[in-house]
Amino acid sequence: EVQLVESGGGLVQPGGSLRLSCAASGFTFSSYAMSWVRQAPGKGLEWVSAISGSGGSTYYADSVKGRFTISRDNSKNTLYLQMNSLRAEDTAVYYCAKDHITIFGVVIADDAFDIWGQGTMVTVSS
Amino acid sequence: DVVMTQSPLSLPVTLGQPASISCRSSQSLVHSDGNTYLNWFQQRPGQSPRRLIYKVSNRDSGVPDRFSGSGSGTDFTLKISRVEAEDVGVYYCMQGTHWPPITFGGGTKVEIK
Repeated sequence: EVQLVESGGGLVQPGGSLRLSCAASGFTFSSYAMSWVRQAPGKGLEWVSAISGSGGSTYYADSVKGRFTISRDNSKNTLYLQMNSLRAEDTAVYYCAKDHITIFGVVIADDAFDIWGQGTMVTVSS
Repeated sequence: DVVMTQSPLSLPVTLGQPASISCRSSQSLVHSDGNTYLNWFQQRPGQSPRRLIYKVSNRDSGVPDRFSGSGSGTDFTLKISRVEAEDVGVYYCMQGTHWPPITFGGGTKVEIK
């Protein structure tokens, strides 16, 4: 079964740090780019960051650039999001999602965002 | 950044009746490879988003055929031919043509009258 399971959320003070993890199973993890998407309480979906299958390319939303770092360990089939200098507006449920695959340099996005985790809640508050 | 605008914000529907959600992008979503990367998601209360439609009109496996997607360029539509109780939730469109960033519409809440 294809599955993504997030962990690492919790309550943190403003200015603090947290590292989220997303454990993948049921597909060839290293072949797929991965993304983080967040949802503030009662709000819509916001894309946060993405990373290529090899980990060599990373992308960020302007709202988190310079504060968040996405990474992956393909030997452990795990995606990470290191969040530093956290602010109240970072409070949200954070989802990881399977993104596109690149084959011989060609992006195939038919399967992009077809699998999501259950989400992990991050609360930034004093 | 591409802005995705959905309407209506809220959509009360009678069971068995059709529903239609509009999504407009601030620029054409036709990619240089010829594809249009416009997806639709359903988020039921308390659940993670679920992809329903990819590349404008392709229904995901397991998605009932009462859901259909259409459109081109900057104007897209998700239709539910006959709304059922399990269709209650928030629906989002998402573009993956011009990224980063990937952008989502603000969401349309479907509820039963």
